[in-house]
Amino acid sequence: RKEVEQDPGPFNVPEGATVAFNCTYSNSASQSFFWYRQDCRKEPKLLMSVYSSGNEDGRFTAQLNRASQYISLLIRDSKLSDSATYLCVVDYSGSARQLTFGSGTQLTVLP
Amino acid sequence: GAGVSQTPSNKVTEKGKYVELRCDPISGHTALYWYRQSLGQGPEFLIYFQGTGAADDSGLPNDRFFAVRPEGSVSTLKIQRTERGDSAVYLCASSPRTSGVGEQFFGPGTRLTVL
Repeated sequence: RKEVEQDPGPFNVPEGATVAFNCTYSNSASQSFFWYRQDCRKEPKLLMSVYSSGNEDGRFTAQLNRASQYISLLIRDSKLSDSATYLCVVDYSGSARQLTFGSGTQLTVLP
Repeated sequence: GAGVSQTPSNKVTEKGKYVELRCDPISGHTALYWYRQSLGQGPEFLIYFQGTGAADDSGLPNDRFFAVRPEGSVSTLKIQRTERGDSAVYLCASSPRTSGVGEQFFGPGTRLTVL
């Protein structure tokens, strides 16, 4: 069983749609959680951290449920530029020295 | 400012050969990480440096893989007796500190192909 599991997609949605990605992690001792974004043939970049209380950054909302070991990312009013692979990331070390990445969920926003 | 740079961007080699991949982190970043990413997968941790020393090399798959960072800046990942299964994108990342933030700044990667 993978440590971080994501639905690989692909998700194909029209512009303006709301789309949600889910992620589960296996190690209950996990300390911190993040969503990274990776464009095709580019490097991953931090999208946002995920906090237990939930957090929002513009059109993006991240949620964490420690009891269920579940993380989500919601994208509202999706734009063409949101097309990318979204990587769920877990830090078991507590110091961000060894990040464990999921396989990613591919999103394509269609005009 | 300049981001993380990696050279070469592409490397094609034959099975059994030795390769070196170079990473130049963001100036002033003390932490440096190597990851490997296969097609359709997320990056897989290989090794982490804090300064010159390898603080965590638990992700190196076997003793054919080795990495150094002799002066605490540039790092080289070395792979001996390459195998076809080593083909992947090798990503380097750096960060200014190791606690609490979780943001690692990635370079563009070196695409290694072993024929």
